Amino acid sequence: GENVEQHPSTLSVQEGDSAVIKCTYSDSASNYFPWYKQELGKRPQLIIDIRSNVGEKKDQRIAVTLNKTAKHFSLHITETQPEDSAVYFCAASPQAGNMLTFGGGTRLMVKP
Amino acid sequence: GAVVSQHPSWVICKSGTSVKIECRSLDFQATTMFWYRQFPKQSLMLMATSNEGSKATYEQGVEKDKFLINHASLTLSTLTVTSAHPEDSSFYICSAIQGQPQHFGDGTRLSIL
Repeated sequence: GENVEQHPSTLSVQEGDSAVIKCTYSDSASNYFPWYKQELGKRPQLIIDIRSNVGEKKDQRIAVTLNKTAKHFSLHITETQPEDSAVYFCAASPQAGNMLTFGGGTRLMVKP
Repeated sequence: GAVVSQHPSWVICKSGTSVKIECRSLDFQATTMFWYRQFPKQSLMLMATSNEGSKATYEQGVEKDKFLINHASLTLSTLTVTSAHPEDSSFYICSAIQGQPQHFGDGTRLSIL
């Protein structure tokens, strides 16, 4: 089955700096890669996703890149703000409607 | 957008009690729902896939007789933790899909004393 590795497990940045979180996956059949943000005790919220037919997707301060050959994808957050502090999870799936395999999570702390 | 409601949000009960958790898709019909468990400071681990009108598919290591899943309608799936013990204490989250990305419920924090 699919295995998703996520790094780093914790990330501390200064407000205004950029943050990058990286994930690798093992199953070449995976073609849907969402990113979720989870605040303490709350539901994971989809922040951005990418499908394998594109290499990059942007939404304001958030971007995701995908390298299918190397089987890795990354989340980039620019101009970080304290409210970006949360745990971020990457995930992989054969397609958008199928089960997700999650990475281990990254605790992002943005210092004001 | 798609809304998934999960109830209850918090349960505290004695060891040996059975607990039922409901997951509802409020504004769409979900042919498939997923149940996850999340221990503190850990990732979401898929427990089972719930399909409307058929038996759930359980992940390896998840006891189907302990975690009973029923998906009787296109908008409701239930997870019953039978004879719960302290080691079952966790955050249980459901998600629902219908040809779109997964949308999660608010989760249920289960504490077994």
